Amino acid sequence: AQSVAQPEDQVNVAEGNPLTVKCTYSVSGNPYLFWYVQYPNRGLQFLLKYITGDNLVKGSYGFEAEFNKSQTSFHLKKPSALVSDSALYFCAFESSNTGKLIFGQGTTLQVKP
Amino acid sequence: EAGVTQFPSHSVIEKGQTVTLRCDPISGHDNLYWYRRVMGKEIKFLLHFVKESKQDESGMPNNRFLAERTGGTYSTLKVQPAELEDSGVYFCASSHWTDSYEQYFGPGTRLTVT
Repeated sequence: AQSVAQPEDQVNVAEGNPLTVKCTYSVSGNPYLFWYVQYPNRGLQFLLKYITGDNLVKGSYGFEAEFNKSQTSFHLKKPSALVSDSALYFCAFESSNTGKLIFGQGTTLQVKP
Repeated sequence: EAGVTQFPSHSVIEKGQTVTLRCDPISGHDNLYWYRRVMGKEIKFLLHFVKESKQDESGMPNNRFLAERTGGTYSTLKVQPAELEDSGVYFCASSHWTDSYEQYFGPGTRLTVT
């Protein structure tokens, strides 16, 4: 079955350090991949997407993600973490051009001052 | 522009009772999706409306769940009768037909069945 996996339940980073939140996918064909973020008591917010083209995708709030076909990964990165980046992050792919999103389990990012 | 809104934000009901969740999508968005996140697990797709029509309801768990989108505007998701395993956060999302890749999510309804 097609899926995305987020191998880490939680990532802890010190403010100012680079951060990486990992995502790997098992999707046939050309995957449409997404990152969403959920801040406390808020809905999911779209961060970025990879559809086609440049493997490095830039998104909101200084985040970026790199599509790596050989490693089937789509890790989320930011050069310098902020305390306000602390939230729950979800990787997802779109199933078969239907608009239906299939999500990973989520990774909690804690950025400490 | 108002975002996707959901009502109520929280609902606590007893097993066997009925609950109706409501979602108001962004005005003009034809696509409306329902998702659910059970405690600590991944967010799972429930169904997809295009205007008032059900495009895909493959994620609906069973016939205790009934979704409607009368007139192609707001949508309701009714659970009747509720079971303990229905507890979780129910998200609604909408998107414009020209950009179905970017879905806008509501804040969710946290449902607790006791």
